[in-house]
Amino acid sequence: KQEVTQIPAALSVPEGENLVLNCSFTDSAIYNLQWFRQDPGKGLTSLLLIQSSQREQTSGRLNASLDKSSGRSTLYIAASQPGDSATYLCAVSSTNAGKSTFGDGTTLTVKP
Amino acid sequence: DGGITQSPKYLFRKEGQNVTLSCEQNLNHDAMYWYRQDPGQGLRLIYYSQIVNDFQKGDIAEGYSVSREKKESFPLTVTSAQKNPTAFYLCASRQGNSPLHFGNGTRLTVT
Repeated sequence: KQEVTQIPAALSVPEGENLVLNCSFTDSAIYNLQWFRQDPGKGLTSLLLIQSSQREQTSGRLNASLDKSSGRSTLYIAASQPGDSATYLCAVSSTNAGKSTFGDGTTLTVKP
Repeated sequence: DGGITQSPKYLFRKEGQNVTLSCEQNLNHDAMYWYRQDPGQGLRLIYYSQIVNDFQKGDIAEGYSVSREKKESFPLTVTSAQKNPTAFYLCASRQGNSPLHFGNGTRLTVT
């Protein structure tokens, strides 16, 4: 059974700092990995999707990497802003359009 | 705009009553999913459907039921058999290996 772990559970940084969020998974036979952002009381917003054949994806200040063999993904946020404060979740899918397994998330606070 | 609509946003029920949560999508996605989120935790899969008239149990299906009679609709019924129904319920959809899209959720409180 796939298990997804996100470390740290919470992170607080000053504005402007670059930071890395970690996601690890136990079964490397994945189809894709997706990073999400969740604001309190809201649904999840997709940030980046990395297919199993890809090594990284970039969108603006965000860069996600994937190392299938080691079962790891990182989300790099450059020049953090208070508006980046949210919970970040990663999810792995083991088949095409199949079910996704989620980590418990990392709650990020960016202090002005 | 295309998206997923979950209604209502807040739902209150008495213990012992069944309740149905609505999820509608106009993204023309084949696959739809129901997840449950408890405070401070990630999402756990309840049921999913990869095509109309077919669905599979997720990791925590006990006490829940679903139907998929139309491509755009995937309602979830929380039955009285669900021991801890109070939670935040999220519906999602996707097409093939495209990104998973989520609705804004329904917060169910059972007293």
